[in-house]
Amino acid sequence: DSGVTQTPKHLITATGQRVTLRCSPRSGDLSVYWYQQSLDQGLQFLIHYYNGEERAKGNILERFSAQQFPDLHSELNLSSLELGDSALYFCASSVVSSPMADTQYFGPGTRLTVL
Amino acid sequence: AQSVTQLDSHVSVSEGTPVLLRCNYSSSYSPSLFWYVQHPNKGLQLLLKYTSAATLVKGINGFEAEFKKSETSFHLTKPSAHMSDAAEYFCVVSDSRDDKIIFGKGTRLHILP
Repeated sequence: DSGVTQTPKHLITATGQRVTLRCSPRSGDLSVYWYQQSLDQGLQFLIHYYNGEERAKGNILERFSAQQFPDLHSELNLSSLELGDSALYFCASSVVSSPMADTQYFGPGTRLTVL
Repeated sequence: AQSVTQLDSHVSVSEGTPVLLRCNYSSSYSPSLFWYVQHPNKGLQLLLKYTSAATLVKGINGFEAEFKKSETSFHLTKPSAHMSDAAEYFCVVSDSRDDKIIFGKGTRLHILP
């Protein structure tokens, strides 16, 4: 158990809908990272927040957005869902702001299925 | 731009024999390199990381990797495979310029009894 929690574990929804995925980092960790894992695209970095501020963006679609709240939990919002958004979404947390300097601890993921 | 290439999508070895998972990278700046493991239906776990200190990096579970700048490689090795090593392995690169994180496509390691 990494100490990172993600809810829900599974989510099934329809095209065009909007969903919110939630991540609670390990106690004391200030950074949260979001990743998407799909059969087509593999693992992709989406976005990184540190202490409430966006630090880096990867291949995140404009239909997706994220935020990190004062209690350091983070939410990933996916809207106007398409079939291709079906994937496993991971979050990870670490203590410091640089992905190079610190170990990231991954949550168990949220499996999103868009029908 | 950064990139990372895992040269084999599948590798099969017999239990007790050496493991070699190959990774080549491209980065314009001083990169940090990582290997992560993902067991079925699990999240990722860091095996080891290189961040410009010693070029031979030792990780968990007997794995190690050597950073070779001249060959732009960061291959993962283990002297003796164990059944519990069966998993997917990801090579990852990040550099100081933009803190973006690039994953390789993964290598699935099969261990034969």
